Amino acid sequence: GAVVSQHPSRVICKSGTSVKIECRSLDFQATTMFWYRQFPKQSLMLMATSNEGSKATYEQGVEKDKFLINHASLTLSTLTVTSAHPEDSSFYICSAIPQGSTEAFFGQGTRLTVV
Amino acid sequence: AQSVTQLDSQVPVFEEAPVELRCNYSSSVSVYLFWYVQYPNQGLQLLLKYLSGSTLVKGINGFEAEFNKSQTSFHLRKPSVHISDTAEYFCAVLRGSYIPTFGRGTSLIVHP
Repeated sequence: GAVVSQHPSRVICKSGTSVKIECRSLDFQATTMFWYRQFPKQSLMLMATSNEGSKATYEQGVEKDKFLINHASLTLSTLTVTSAHPEDSSFYICSAIPQGSTEAFFGQGTRLTVV
Repeated sequence: AQSVTQLDSQVPVFEEAPVELRCNYSSSVSVYLFWYVQYPNQGLQLLLKYLSGSTLVKGINGFEAEFNKSQTSFHLRKPSVHISDTAEYFCAVLRGSYIPTFGRGTSLIVHP
């Protein structure tokens, strides 16, 4: 199957700093990628839909200035958590659906800890 | 609107016993249904999917699921579980623009 690579897998940062998470589709092109946030023992919450070459579509309640999404190419989307605070600590997962497919492929996730 | 309900937050079972993880969906249109598995601190891996055709779908690792339109269900089953099946399982439905919507997840705990 298709592979989605997410980096880094774990990151610890100080409160007030920014963190960038990368999501790459390794063997297919993805015009659309998705960013999810997962709290412990809970489901995945869709944060935003990342569209190549245009602005991301954010779900209600997600701060677009806080969670910056850039989808500069058909194989790369980035999520930047700006001015991170401890409450931003979470597991972030990206996914992508190859063109013409209905199956979403997921990155391995990024565990963000803000101290 | 489409939503997914996983009634059981946790399902404990002994090794080699059968297991069923329940999933119900609500949708006014045709749906695509999925089951994903998540191991600790990892992303999601597709177990199986229903798009159309046969209502009994077989997936990886010996799992299968049956699409029941009249009961709006898509329950996941395995006749004999292993310790390694201990993980979080998510049922999902595709909504507009092929965005997966997930249930809250069911934690399968296999005891020796």
